[in-house]
Amino acid sequence: SAVISQKPSRDICQRGTSLTIQCQVDSQVTMMFWYRQQPGQSLTLIATANQGSEATYESGFVIDKFPISRPNLTFSTLTVSNMSPEDSSIYLCSVFWGGTEAFFGQGTRLTVV
Amino acid sequence: AQRVTQPEKLLSVFKGAPVELKCNYSYSGSPELFWYVQYSRQRLQLLLRHISRESIKGFTADLNKGETSFHLKKPFAQEEDSAMYYCALRGNRDDKIIFGKGTRLHILP
Repeated sequence: SAVISQKPSRDICQRGTSLTIQCQVDSQVTMMFWYRQQPGQSLTLIATANQGSEATYESGFVIDKFPISRPNLTFSTLTVSNMSPEDSSIYLCSVFWGGTEAFFGQGTRLTVV
Repeated sequence: AQRVTQPEKLLSVFKGAPVELKCNYSYSGSPELFWYVQYSRQRLQLLLRHISRESIKGFTADLNKGETSFHLKKPFAQEEDSAMYYCALRGNRDDKIIFGKGTRLHILP
């Protein structure tokens, strides 16, 4: 299995500021995925991060708002920029391991005030 | 377009009663289907996948391509089954996973 660590586990931020979330995997993986889980909602994919190339964003998400870095095969960051209360959510990092099983980090609970 | 539909937000079932969590999907090819579970204060984890045809914690799910469904079933509910259940779809081996909105299963004593 793959073990994923996310930092921070939670944060309370002022509107207009930015927060960078880190995701560390204990194994090398090709793709890393960033999801958002708003209160009472499902997981929505934000983007797919491949090492050595720009992230691929889903409809409704843009690089200026959610810049992603993927410097190596075990690490990625997601930044939530110019935050507003609507960005309050749980942000999850995920990877595939063993071909088809997805593993998830414990999530970062973000509250924007 | 890929889509996963879970019609029930909340399902309450008495302990010992059968459980069925519904899932329908929309995909033009042959997808991989999964059920993920999130217990209270734990991270999301895989429960089962259709290609394995396995039973995990008494749960089974059969892929019905004609009805495009992948319902999750358990003959006798247990209190520890209370959790959030997500049906998910993956179109290709290298593609992303799309989740349904989830169903909260509440087992009544």
